[in-house]
Amino acid sequence: EAGVAQSPRYKIIEKRQSVAFWCNPISGHATLYWYQQILGQGPKLLIQFQNNGVVDDSQLPKDRFSAERLKGVDSTLKIQPAKLEDSAVYLCASTLGLRETQYFGPGTRLLVL
Amino acid sequence: SQQGEEDPQALSIQEGENATMNCSYKTSINNLQWYRQNSGRGLVHLILIRSNEREKHSGRLRVTLDTSKKSSSLLITASRAADTASYFCATDANAGKSTFGDGTTLTVKP
Repeated sequence: EAGVAQSPRYKIIEKRQSVAFWCNPISGHATLYWYQQILGQGPKLLIQFQNNGVVDDSQLPKDRFSAERLKGVDSTLKIQPAKLEDSAVYLCASTLGLRETQYFGPGTRLLVL
Repeated sequence: SQQGEEDPQALSIQEGENATMNCSYKTSINNLQWYRQNSGRGLVHLILIRSNEREKHSGRLRVTLDTSKKSSSLLITASRAADTASYFCATDANAGKSTFGDGTTLTVKP
């Protein structure tokens, strides 16, 4: 069974530029999560989808971050414009259902200069 | 503040010794999960323990949950150098939303 796929693996941009990350969850997994992990800290939930609907986006900085999950499968997370403090690893995870084991992708490491 | 907080922040042991990490949380939970993260990699799920369970085992891993004290522990027995990683607990208190602590960094010296 293929795991959670993410791309790109690394991205370097300058502040005020825009960037997008892509996630393909495990086939059949209805719930998808995006996390931000700053160096030395644990993952912080940005947004949670159930199929193509948003369950929780309370910690998503909506003035610059957006996410969508069209057709309830793949998802994209966008930052526009990026700030220096957005430098982090962006992790995508999926679960078969709520309250189940989360399976994580390898993450996208973003550096904003 | 984080729902789950790991203790200690860092732990250094010799190969073959046991390692114990603790996690404390503030509100009632549905389940608690432990994850491992090797440097620069994604998180790997270790064990999920539900609120009505007290102990679970998986190979060299033993997890306990005390809901009255709002705490959990992860024991790794007979540690190996390959166990060197950061370990995180994540609590699910609401509709599958997991809240992670900042982790315990474990170093196992050969």
